[in-house]
Amino acid sequence: QQPVQSPQAVILREGEDAVINCSSSKALYSVHWYRQKHGEAPVFLMILLKGGEQKGHEKISASFNEKKQQSSLYLTASQLSYSGTYFCGTAKGYSNYQLIWGAGTKLIIKP
Amino acid sequence: SQTIHQWPATLVQPVGSPLSLECTVEGTSNPNLYWYRQAAGRGLQLLFYSVGIGQISSEVPQNLSASRPQDRQFILSSKKLLLSDSGFYLCAWHRGGGYTFGSGTRLTVV
Repeated sequence: QQPVQSPQAVILREGEDAVINCSSSKALYSVHWYRQKHGEAPVFLMILLKGGEQKGHEKISASFNEKKQQSSLYLTASQLSYSGTYFCGTAKGYSNYQLIWGAGTKLIIKP
Repeated sequence: SQTIHQWPATLVQPVGSPLSLECTVEGTSNPNLYWYRQAAGRGLQLLFYSVGIGQISSEVPQNLSASRPQDRQFILSSKKLLLSDSGFYLCAWHRGGGYTFGSGTRLTVV
């Protein structure tokens, strides 16, 4: 079942923060986060493998709440380069690397 | 380092014509390979995946097929394209960890 991403879209001013959520009605085994710029392929940001795990990548970080079956992506002090569509992907099983993808969250950063 | 090549970048094909898209991976062996399609403004739809030579799993029944003739080569084909086949086709690989996508092929069926 497809994970649900929220919000569908968000518009920010440069320097503002954003949170993108990815939730599932089924157990989450691992969560991937990707960013896709217009006309380009998605780019891998990070993977969270177990509940409680948190990771960071520059000013982009993520958490994984296994109990709540949810992951959140945090973008702090957003830059123009953060614009794009963010996708979460959830694995079908512990050793199953096939992903079920969310519908995406479009992030627009304005100067 | 690992790289993934996908071509062509853009393609305009008439309805009913055949299709062949090729994807190759360098710098790794025995990767899991995937073909995705993305309609304009939409998410990623998994079409096929392969865990090894000659091993293809189809996620969505349609007029497309895939083949893996070599360890690092993955081919997407169609005998007769439909208008609904238009989209952005992405090849991806992983061997644990995150997925790496090719640069994509934008296919327009006219």
